Amino acid sequence: EDQVTQSPEALRLQEGESSSLNCSYTVSGLRGLFWYRQDPGKGPEFLFTLYSAGEEKEKERLKATLTKKESFLHITAPKPEDSATYLCAVPAFGANSKLTFGKGITLSVRP
Amino acid sequence: DAGITQSPRHKVTETGTPVTLRCHQTENHRYMYWYRQDPGHGLRLIHYSYGVKDTDKGEVSDGYSVSRSKTEDFLLTLESATSSQTSVYFCAISVLSGINSPLHFGNGTRLTVT
Repeated sequence: EDQVTQSPEALRLQEGESSSLNCSYTVSGLRGLFWYRQDPGKGPEFLFTLYSAGEEKEKERLKATLTKKESFLHITAPKPEDSATYLCAVPAFGANSKLTFGKGITLSVRP
Repeated sequence: DAGITQSPRHKVTETGTPVTLRCHQTENHRYMYWYRQDPGHGLRLIHYSYGVKDTDKGEVSDGYSVSRSKTEDFLLTLESATSSQTSVYFCAISVLSGINSPLHFGNGTRLTVT
């Protein structure tokens, strides 16, 4: 059974204070990993797909990286508008795109 | 915007009553999903559909049924609502035709069972 664990559960940063969010996974075979952002009262918003170890993706202040056991979402010089819950997920085996999600990391960035 | 509309956005119902939530998409994607999100559990898959009249169970399907009579609509029904089904329900679609594609989500329905 696929398992996804995110840490820490919550993270409070000062504006401009860079940090990283962790997503570790246990799967029978790596089929990719997805990162999402979720704002209060909204559905998860897709950010990145990573398919192989060593792959990196960037978007504005966010950079996602992937190893064989975990993924990191690096946030460089965060701003208050980066405050959200960040979710990672892995797809199940088979052609049905079912995702197993971690419980999420709630990021708060203080001005 | 993946063109997903969920209705209603909020609903309060009593224990034992039937409830149907609707998910509508505008782009004729084949795969559609229902998830629930609860504190401490994250997002969990209830049911999914891989075409009209083709559905399958997820990890938390007990107490729920689904129907898909048209490509654009995927309905989730709670036959007899219980307090444990108080949750936020999200519909999602897979926008790519290949396997292992990311999902795109609607903005959810907040259901309270009293």
